[in-house]
Amino acid sequence: EAGVVQSPRYKIIEKKQPVAFWCNPISGHNTLYWYRQNLGQGPELLIRYENEEAVDDSQLPKDRFSAERLKGVDSTLKIQPAELGDSAVYLCASSSRSWDSNYNEQFFGPGTRLTVL
Amino acid sequence: AQSVTQLDSHVSVSEGTPVLLRCNYSSSYSPSLFWYVQHPNKGLQLLLKYTSAATLVKGINGFEAEFKKSETSFHLTKPSAHMSDAAEYFCVGDLSGNTGKLIFGQGTTLQVKP
Repeated sequence: EAGVVQSPRYKIIEKKQPVAFWCNPISGHNTLYWYRQNLGQGPELLIRYENEEAVDDSQLPKDRFSAERLKGVDSTLKIQPAELGDSAVYLCASSSRSWDSNYNEQFFGPGTRLTVL
Repeated sequence: AQSVTQLDSHVSVSEGTPVLLRCNYSSSYSPSLFWYVQHPNKGLQLLLKYTSAATLVKGINGFEAEFKKSETSFHLTKPSAHMSDAAEYFCVGDLSGNTGKLIFGQGTTLQVKP
């Protein structure tokens, strides 16, 4: 079974430029998460989707960040315009809803390392 | 406030000696707790999880963790370190009532010396 796929793996841009990250979750996983991991820190949740609905976007900086999950499968996270402080690794994770389990494991992709110059 | 605190940012052990990575949590709910490992340029991998069943949890690669409610701790142990265990380890909690919203600790870098 293929894991969570993210692209690109690395991206270098100049500040004020736009950038987009793409995530393909594990087949059948209805929940999708975007995290940001700053250097030397643990990941922090940006947004969570249940199917195509964003159910938790409280940590997403909405002035410059946007995300979409059309058709409830793939997702795109966009930054426009990028700032120097956006340099980080952006992780995507997915999980499936299992009503007979008291926890649904999140499976993480390898991440996209963004460098803003 | 809900939080996860990893008490050591860096741990160094010799190959074949025990590993102890410490983690404390703060939560108003019964937490679900996890340990993830992150190797360089690899995705986060789940080592083990505690979800209100047995307090001593066994994971992959010989790792174990014990949930101690009285101490609000969830320390990760392994009897004998292997060179391949060198990585970044994250203690993670779902601290708001099994919402799926994970709170990560700051991470502990495990170095294994030959």
